[in-house]
Amino acid sequence: EVQLVESGGGLVQPGRSLRLSCAASGFTFDDYAMHWVRQAPGKGLEWVSGISWNSGSIGYADSVKGRFTISRDNAKNSLYLQMNSLRAEDTALYYCAKALGGTTWGWYFDLWGRGTLVTVSS
Amino acid sequence: DIVMTQSPDSLAVSLGERATINCKSSQSVLYSSNNKNYLAWYQQKPGQPPKLLIYWASTRESGVPDRFSGSGSGTDFTLTISSLQAEDVAVYYCQQYYSTPPFTFGPGTKVDIK
Repeated sequence: EVQLVESGGGLVQPGRSLRLSCAASGFTFDDYAMHWVRQAPGKGLEWVSGISWNSGSIGYADSVKGRFTISRDNAKNSLYLQMNSLRAEDTALYYCAKALGGTTWGWYFDLWGRGTLVTVSS
Repeated sequence: DIVMTQSPDSLAVSLGERATINCKSSQSVLYSSNNKNYLAWYQQKPGQPPKLLIYWASTRESGVPDRFSGSGSGTDFTLTISSLQAEDVAVYYCQQYYSTPPFTFGPGTKVDIK
């Protein structure tokens, strides 16, 4: 089955760290750019970070630049998001998404996981 | 960064009637060399992740009912649901992939049954 499954979310205090994981299956993981997109409670979609198929290109939203680090392990069909110096405004459901397209970042997101919830609160 | 806006914020339509959602980008997302608009639409039902509906502004994803259609070019786009069904209650987002990163989404339009 073609799917993405996120894990690693939870309740964390402001200033602490968390590492999210996304396990991919059912497709050739290293053929595609991958992304993290988040959704604060009751809010819209916000792109967080993306990584090319070979990790050669990485990008971040300004809101997380310098605090979050995206990575992937193609041998394990896995995507990661290391989140440091977490803030209350990082509270959101974090989705892993696969990008279709032959460019560095891909184009549109044709496969999404169900998300993992990160709550930053003291 | 390209800013995406959508209108209306929400709308309520009777079953079987047409629903129209507008999306506007702060700059053109039409790539002149291939004449493609780098614009996608997603549907998000309550408690579910987003689902790709349309890409290249007007190409339906496989399995998407043909009552969903996308149109527009340059900076102005429309998602139309020709005959609203109960299962279409959702929030709809547009997204540009012309100038990335960042990938930017519209704020969403909530569609309900009247």
